[in-house]
Amino acid sequence: DAKTTQPNSMESNEEEPVHLPCNHSTISGTDYIHWYRQLPSQGPEYVIHGLTSNVNNRMASLAIAEDRKSSTLILHRATLRDAAVYYCILGRTGDKIIFGKGTRLHILP
Amino acid sequence: DSGVTQTPKHLITATGQRVTLRCSPRSGDLSVYWYQQSLDQGLQFLIQYYNGEERAKGNILERFSAQQFPDLHSELNLSSLELGDSALYFCASSVGQAIANEKLFFGSGTQLSVL
Repeated sequence: DAKTTQPNSMESNEEEPVHLPCNHSTISGTDYIHWYRQLPSQGPEYVIHGLTSNVNNRMASLAIAEDRKSSTLILHRATLRDAAVYYCILGRTGDKIIFGKGTRLHILP
Repeated sequence: DSGVTQTPKHLITATGQRVTLRCSPRSGDLSVYWYQQSLDQGLQFLIQYYNGEERAKGNILERFSAQQFPDLHSELNLSSLELGDSALYFCASSVGQAIANEKLFFGSGTQLSVL
């Protein structure tokens, strides 16, 4: 199973950018990096994914290191609604999709 | 709304009993995944089905079983329930069978309480 490492929790101020790190040192060349988040009392929801290049969508940006052993999810302007658990996972064809414990993000008003 | 429907939303039962959790995937999705989430264990992968066939298995207990029917809905059966089985059970669906760049869409979960 492909493994990732994330900090247990982080804090950020409202309306400021948030950088959520993820290490995946055992990533293989065809593994995709995915981010999901889980808001309180809800199921996880897809945020973004990428392979090698940085990716942007309406929710966030994904910055992938050149060696692909780490990545950073960037929320450009955090709001209170962004308080959630953020999961970084590796997508590997034919492999189980394993979620770790994620990073619990607290947003301070 | 993810398009994945799970029923029931809440289930309260007693130890030793058997329950069935149901999941309807998004229209067009062929894969269904089951996850268990308890406070101390995080989100644990249980099992995946693709187009009616079991594709991957996680740490699913022998007391638990699942199946995916021809109409692609899935059921997770939990038997001989123990207090420790109390958890949120999530179903997710995707188009293919765990392809690397595939997105999962999760339902809102079934909260199981075993008393």
